[in-house]
Amino acid sequence: DIQMTQSPSSLSASVGDRVTITCRASQTISNFLNWYQQKPGKAPKLLIYAASSLQSGVPSRFGGSGSGTDFTLTISSLQPEDFATYYCQQSYSTPRTFGQGTKLEIK
Amino acid sequence: QVQLVQSGSELKKPGASVKVSCKASGYTFTTYGINWVRLAPGQGLAWMGWINTNTGNPTYAQGFTERFVFSLDTSVSTAYLQISSLKAEDTAVYFCARKVLVRGKDVFDIWGQGTMVTVSS
Repeated sequence: DIQMTQSPSSLSASVGDRVTITCRASQTISNFLNWYQQKPGKAPKLLIYAASSLQSGVPSRFGGSGSGTDFTLTISSLQPEDFATYYCQQSYSTPRTFGQGTKLEIK
Repeated sequence: QVQLVQSGSELKKPGASVKVSCKASGYTFTTYGINWVRLAPGQGLAWMGWINTNTGNPTYAQGFTERFVFSLDTSVSTAYLQISSLKAEDTAVYFCARKVLVRGKDVFDIWGQGTMVTVSS
């Protein structure tokens, strides 16, 4: 199974900050990498697919990059509604594994 | 609109069974697979597996092979997750999610609202 490791596990930031979350795969996955946002009590929401493609309707302040084993999710200017938990997920092979999550909290 | 609507919260005793439903609307059900994902307390998302809604063939992740069954009723565009011999550690929110292919890569683009299953004596 491909292991996905996110860092940091938690992060405190302020509105307007630029934030970067990293995700590392235990083996190469090309660009088969998706990012999801989950708020408490809600379903996850697809943000980024294929490492860098923005899902329709997602604000342009969200961006993704990377290929192979190392990936990043960047939020260029944090908004109040962005405080949530973020998960990366590989779709390269079965089982489809998620990272452990990064909880983004208000400083 | 395209949506997945899941059944409501369940409270079960250890050893019992539960069946969670996931009803699709707004699209042709048999076109896209349905995945199941668990969110246990204090843990992250765990992919449980998926079911091909065209063939009915299920695929289970390790750890979800013994007591977990995915099934369909295509006549009502509904997928089901059944868990038998429930244990306290099955307490979690269970999500269904539609899998679509975008430029050759699959993504979970539509999610159900989640079903809380609590196992307690």
